[in-house]
Parts: sequence; structure tokens; C-alpha cells
Amino acid sequence: QKEVEQNSGPLSVPEGAIASLNCTYSDRGSQSFFWYRQYSGKSPELIMFIYSNGDKEDGRFTAQLNKASQYVSLLIRDSQPSDSATYLCAVNMNTNAGKSTFGDGTTLTVKP
Amino acid sequence: EPEVTQTPSHQVTQMGQEVILRCVPISNHLYFYWYRQILGQKVEFLVSFYNNEISEKSEIFDDQFSVERPDGSNFTLKIRSTKLEDSAMYFCASSDQGYGYTFGSGTRLTVV
Repeated sequence: QKEVEQNSGPLSVPEGAIASLNCTYSDRGSQSFFWYRQYSGKSPELIMFIYSNGDKEDGRFTAQLNKASQYVSLLIRDSQPSDSATYLCAVNMNTNAGKSTFGDGTTLTVKP
Repeated sequence: EPEVTQTPSHQVTQMGQEVILRCVPISNHLYFYWYRQILGQKVEFLVSFYNNEISEKSEIFDDQFSVERPDGSNFTLKIRSTKLEDSAMYFCASSDQGYGYTFGSGTRLTVV
């Protein structure tokens, strides 16, 4: 079983729609969760982090965490073509700092 | 916005040669990391560095790899004797506590 598993993708949504990206993790002791966006040929860029169960909103992005289900998701509202990228879920064992374990990523295409 | 700077952007080396990849993390960050991403694969942890010493390393980070912080600003990754399978994009990252990483733009290492 992979430590961090994401939707296999690719995911395609029309412009203006909601894109939903999902991630599950295997280690129940995981404490902090991150979403990064990676454009082709570029480095990952942090979008959001979440530590507590529930929702966390930042502009068009909402991260959702359910530790009981070992599940974290990212919703992108009003998707734009510029959101087309690979989205990486990353999980840490602590909240202070330290190693992140990344999923394989889900590639999102937003069609105009 | 503060940046993590990596040099060179692309390095081609012959198998068996030593390479040094250089990084300048964000100045007030305390935690430093090296990750790599083989083309088409996920981002993999190599090593984390805190308080002038390695805090964690992966199985990939064997005796051929070393890291140094030779002064107050630079953070280097050395591969002593490169192998074909070391060809990858190498990312340096830094973080302030547990708020996620800022990645550098990466060094593409090609071993021929």
C-alpha cells in the first residue's frame, strides 16, 4: 500500500467548475498535510496546509481533512485554465517541520 | 517574496564523477531539505538538515551523498560518484517551522 495515494487522474473540468482532488494516507499518526501545485517542468509551489479536522479556506481553495478516515482533499472553486497543473498531496508525521511524503500527484486540466 | 535559489539549473556529468549542487535557502528559515524527482515520478525525500546537522535521511541518501552548510547562507548536496540512476531533478527546500516548504527552481542532473 502506498503511503500517500491520490486520484490517478488525469482530471478534466470545464472553466468555472469545481475541481475536487483527493488524497488518502496510510499512517494514522500523520499530523500535517499539504497541497502543492506543480506546473510542468517547474518546482512544487505550496498552496495550502492543514492540521486540524474540518475545512480550511483560502480564496478559491478549500482543504478538507478527516483524520478518522485518513483522508484529505482540495477543492478548487471557479476553476481557471491557469489552474491546469499537477497537484501534489504531502503528509508529515509532525507539525513542527521535517520530512514530507508526497503522493504521485493528480494532473488537472481546466478547459476553457 | 523570498526565494530559494539553486545553481546550476542544469548539470551534465559523466558517470563516476562528483557533482555539487548548490542552494541558498530563505535567510530566516531553519530547516533545509533536499528532494529529488525522477522524470514522471513522484517527489522523493533525500535528507533534512537542522541546527547544522542531518536530522533525517532516506534510504536513497547512502554513503555517496553528503550535505553541507559551509557558511551562513549556502546549503550543498554532493554526490561523490554519480550513477546513471542519479539522473533526476534535485530540489532544495527550506521551511520555517511546519508551514510547508518553499522549493527552489531545481537542478536537472543528467548523468551520461
